Amino acid sequence: DAMVIQNPRYQVTQFGKPVTLSCSQTLNHNVMYWYQQKSSQAPKLLFHYYDKDFNNEADTPDNFQSRRPNTSFCFLDIRSPGLGDAAMYLCATSRVVLEPLHFGNGTRLTVT
Amino acid sequence: RKEVEQDPGPFNVPEGATVAFNCTYSNSASQSFFWYRQDCRKEPKLLMSVYSSGNEDGRFTAQLNRASQYISLLIRDSKLSDSATYLCVVNMWGNKLVFGAGTILRVKS
Repeated sequence: DAMVIQNPRYQVTQFGKPVTLSCSQTLNHNVMYWYQQKSSQAPKLLFHYYDKDFNNEADTPDNFQSRRPNTSFCFLDIRSPGLGDAAMYLCATSRVVLEPLHFGNGTRLTVT
Repeated sequence: RKEVEQDPGPFNVPEGATVAFNCTYSNSASQSFFWYRQDCRKEPKLLMSVYSSGNEDGRFTAQLNRASQYISLLIRDSKLSDSATYLCVVNMWGNKLVFGAGTILRVKS
């Protein structure tokens, strides 16, 4: 089945210790997104790639970076995680912008 | 004003009830509208897209009111398994898809 896969499902990191979350897709979609979702809040868009074009949201902290080495993979790097970065990180894809999003099952990040 | 607003609820309804949620959006030029369902600690899953003419999928009906800038979701004959958070998603300026904070539905026997 074509899908969006995120690894790991749960990630624990220490305050200030860099962490990388990964996402892969077999849907061959052009667009990949990273959303951050905190408890009882809406998913918040951090950035998205349209093919290789990177689009950063204005209020995404500099602490967050992303890489998309090829169509299938996208990574979220958090350079110096703070306690406030603990959240569910959701990767999503869409064929083109404005079409429905297909989500991976998320990575729940804990910062100790 | 938030870009996408939803009544957080919770809506507590008995099995078999009909329940409706609205979602208002701020961008009059928005073109894409979706309803997602999210279960506790899981990822959002697409429930349905919302078309200008309205659309129905079984017990679920979605409608768009452009004049008043809101979309709605109607659930008929509620089941226990419908208990979840319902998120509306609308495209905003720059073609980004923005989520509402969600409406919690609890269906009770």
